[in-house]
Amino acid sequence: KQEVTQIPAALSVPEGENLVLNCSFTDSAIYNLQWFRQDPGKGLTSLLLIQSSQREQTSGRLNASLDKSSGRSTLYIAASQPGDSATYLCASRYKAAGNKLTFGGGTRVLVKP
Amino acid sequence: DVKVTQSSRYLVKRTGEKVFLECVQDMDHENMFWYRQDPGLGLRLIYFSYDVKMKEKGDIPEGYSVSREKKERFSLILESASTNQTSMYLCASSLGGMRLNTEAFFGQGTRLTVV
Repeated sequence: KQEVTQIPAALSVPEGENLVLNCSFTDSAIYNLQWFRQDPGKGLTSLLLIQSSQREQTSGRLNASLDKSSGRSTLYIAASQPGDSATYLCASRYKAAGNKLTFGGGTRVLVKP
Repeated sequence: DVKVTQSSRYLVKRTGEKVFLECVQDMDHENMFWYRQDPGLGLRLIYFSYDVKMKEKGDIPEGYSVSREKKERFSLILESASTNQTSMYLCASSLGGMRLNTEAFFGQGTRLTVV
């Protein structure tokens, strides 16, 4: 069974510092890996999707990388802002599970002004 | 933009009531999902549907049922609500099949409290 892990569970950085969020998964036979943002009491907002054939994806200040051989994905957020404070979740869609997503536990980020 | 809309942001129901949570998506997605999210337990899949009238149990289906009569609508039913079903419920949709680009989109969530 696929397991997705996000360490650390919480992170606090000063404004302007680059954020590095980690996601590891046990089964490398994935279709894709997706990063989400969740604000307190709200739903999940899709940030980036990396297909299994890709090594990275970029959107504005966000860059996500994927290394299937080591079972890792990293989300980089450049020049963090207080508005980046949220919980970030990764989820993998792996071949043995068809269309279902397996989620990590999330990393709660606080960017201090 | 894909839109997934859940019928209520907040609900308060009594123990034993039958509760319906509705979800509608506007992108002609084949797949629809219901998750619940609890502190310390993360997101857990309750049910998912890969086509009209087709459904598959997730990790925690006990106490729940679902209905998908139309492609755009997926309903979660709590047959007899209990206090341990107090939670945040999240609906999602995505394209189906064995594609690589099946991005999942979520609704805004329904905070259900059972008293």
